[in-house]
Amino acid sequence: GENVEQHPSTLSVQEGDSAVIKCTYSDSASNYFPWYKQELGKGPQLIIDIRSNVGEKKDQRIAVTLNKTAKHFSLHITETQPEDSAVYFCAASIGNQFYFGTGTSLTVIP
Amino acid sequence: NAGVTQTPKFQVLKTGQSMTLQCAQDMNHEYMSWYRQDPGMGLRLIHYSVGAGITDQGEVPNGYNVSRSTTEDFPLRLLSAAPSQTSVYFCASSYSARTGNTIYFGEGSWLTVV
Repeated sequence: GENVEQHPSTLSVQEGDSAVIKCTYSDSASNYFPWYKQELGKGPQLIIDIRSNVGEKKDQRIAVTLNKTAKHFSLHITETQPEDSAVYFCAASIGNQFYFGTGTSLTVIP
Repeated sequence: NAGVTQTPKFQVLKTGQSMTLQCAQDMNHEYMSWYRQDPGMGLRLIHYSVGAGITDQGEVPNGYNVSRSTTEDFPLRLLSAAPSQTSVYFCASSYSARTGNTIYFGEGSWLTVV
């Protein structure tokens, strides 16, 4: 089955700096890559996604890039704010199966 | 908007007890699933359903049963609880089982088995 690896597991940045989280996947059949944000005590919420026919997608301060050849995709958060502090999960999807990374705990220091 | 609703939020069980985690969605979603979340292991799929009357196993199905008698409800049953089933459980749903449909998660159910 698919294997998704996510790095780093923890990340601390100063407010206003950028944060980058990277994921790799193993199965070239994966064709949908969502990113989720999970705040303490809550369920994961979708923040951005990208499909395999697109290389980059941006939504305000958040962007995702996909390199199908290298089988990796990344989440970029610019101008970080304290409310960006949370755990972020990447996922790769084949059909109706989602495979999640192990999460990155992001702390934005005011 | 209710979205995906899970109950209970917190539960403590003794080893060997059985219980059911309830999940309901009000979005008329075709696809529903259960995940467990453990430290350092991300989210792992337990069971899923692509429609009423249809269920299938995910990555970690042992010790759990599911049924889908209606579109709205997808309960998860623990048959004989074990300490290894201590975890946070998330129900999720999606409009369709086809690729690229966003999945929406419930708020989670924290289960401790002693």
